[in-house]
Amino acid sequence: SAVISQKPSRDICQRGTSLTIQCQVDSQVTMMFWYRQQPGQSLTLIATANQGSEATYESGFVIDKFPISRPNLTFSTLTVSNMSPEDSSIYLCSVDSGTGVTDTQYFGPGTRLTVL
Amino acid sequence: AQKITQTQPGMFVQEKEAVTLDCTYDTSDQSYGLFWYKQPSSGEMIFLIYQGSYDEQNATEGRYSLNFQKARKSANLVISASQLGDSAMYFCAMRGGSSYKLIFGSGTRLLVRP
Repeated sequence: SAVISQKPSRDICQRGTSLTIQCQVDSQVTMMFWYRQQPGQSLTLIATANQGSEATYESGFVIDKFPISRPNLTFSTLTVSNMSPEDSSIYLCSVDSGTGVTDTQYFGPGTRLTVL
Repeated sequence: AQKITQTQPGMFVQEKEAVTLDCTYDTSDQSYGLFWYKQPSSGEMIFLIYQGSYDEQNATEGRYSLNFQKARKSANLVISASQLGDSAMYFCAMRGGSSYKLIFGSGTRLLVRP
C-alpha cells in the first residue's frame, strides 16, 4: 500500500484567511482524491486531481473555494479559501492502489482544520 | 446510483466478544467493490478489508471478516475477539462500474467495554 503524508496535521485559522494542505505519496499515482469530513459526518468527495489536467470537482464544490494543484505524480495541494467556521472539518487525501475500479483506496492521516 | 446504508449509529461490545457491523448497498453495476475502513479518534482512515462482487468466498483479514450476501446486497463486517483498541468509527464504502468514486455510508461508532 502507498504511504501518504499530509501537512499540516491540524491548524486553527481565522475566518477570511486561506490554508493550503499538502499531500505527498511515496509512489507515483495517476489519481489523487480530496475528501472533506465535517464534524460527526461521513466523508464527502471534493474533487479528483489528475496530473497535467484540471481537477474534477463534485457537485457543491467549486474551484474558487477549493483550488487544487497537481504538479507531479506524487504530490497535490488543496487550498481552502476565504474560510468560514463552516469549513471546520477533517480534510483527507487518498490514492488508488491500482488502476481498476475495485482497487483499494488508501488515505492520508488527514488535516484537522478549525476556523474561528 | 450507488448507495451505502449503515443503520447502526452506535454499537457496544464486550471485550473479547465478536461484533457484527451492518452494511447494505444498492447498485445496478455488475462489477463493484466493497470496503471497510476504521477511523479512530485521531481522524485517519485505516483500510480494513475488501470484497469484490465476483469473489465467491468471504474476505478475511486477521480478526476481520466480511459476511458478503450478494442476493441481499449486504456486506457486514465481523470483528472477532474485540479489543479495546477497536473502539472507533467504522465506515462501509463501495464503488463500481466505470466510476472511480468511493461512496461512503454514514458510519457506525463502536465502543468496546472492558
